[in-house]
Amino acid sequence: AQTVTQSQPEMSVQEAETVTLSCTYDTSESDYYLFWYKQPPSRQMILVIRQEAYKQQNATENRFSVNFQKAAKSFSLKISDSQLGDAAMYFCAYRSYGGATNKLIFGTGTLLAVQP
Amino acid sequence: EPEVTQTPSHQVTQMGQEVILRCVPISNHLYFYWYRQILGQKVEFLVSFYNNEISEKSEIFDDQFSVERPDGSNFTLKIRSTKLEDSAMYFCASSVASGTYGELFFGEGSRLTVL
Repeated sequence: AQTVTQSQPEMSVQEAETVTLSCTYDTSESDYYLFWYKQPPSRQMILVIRQEAYKQQNATENRFSVNFQKAAKSFSLKISDSQLGDAAMYFCAYRSYGGATNKLIFGTGTLLAVQP
Repeated sequence: EPEVTQTPSHQVTQMGQEVILRCVPISNHLYFYWYRQILGQKVEFLVSFYNNEISEKSEIFDDQFSVERPDGSNFTLKIRSTKLEDSAMYFCASSVASGTYGELFFGEGSRLTVL
């Protein structure tokens, strides 16, 4: 069975600085997807960024980028130029490739605080 | 922007009572899901639903749980006889498709407290 581990329950960053959130996972599958979801306080989870395992290039979405290390089964999220609105719980998630459903396997989350 | 909505946002119930959590998925979505998060623990998959039937369920989703799409817009999760350990945040999600382009859109969650 696949597992996702986020070893940082809480992180803090100064506004305009860069922060990296860690995620590791375990799987025997060769094809899969990895995601970072953001959940602001009392708001729904929204997708921040996704990475297909068969792509070597790291995904980037504006100030958000990932460092995907397939051999090490590591998938970290880097947030550049942090903004107050980035404060949220961040979840790393795994999904198998193919199949009829989109079942996600989540980590426990990292609560990110942004200091002004 | 369309979004998934859930009601109630918080429900307190006595152990042994039946609870129904409601979700309105995004209107053109075809796949529906329930996840839950016990305080301090991982978000866990419960069930997925497509074409009016369960397509996958986890070992958590036992006979106490059921899902239904009663009227073409709502998607409900029923817990027949609640237990203390059912206390959690329950998230509904929907997607337009499965596979590569099946991004999940989540609701804000319903917090269930069982006393």
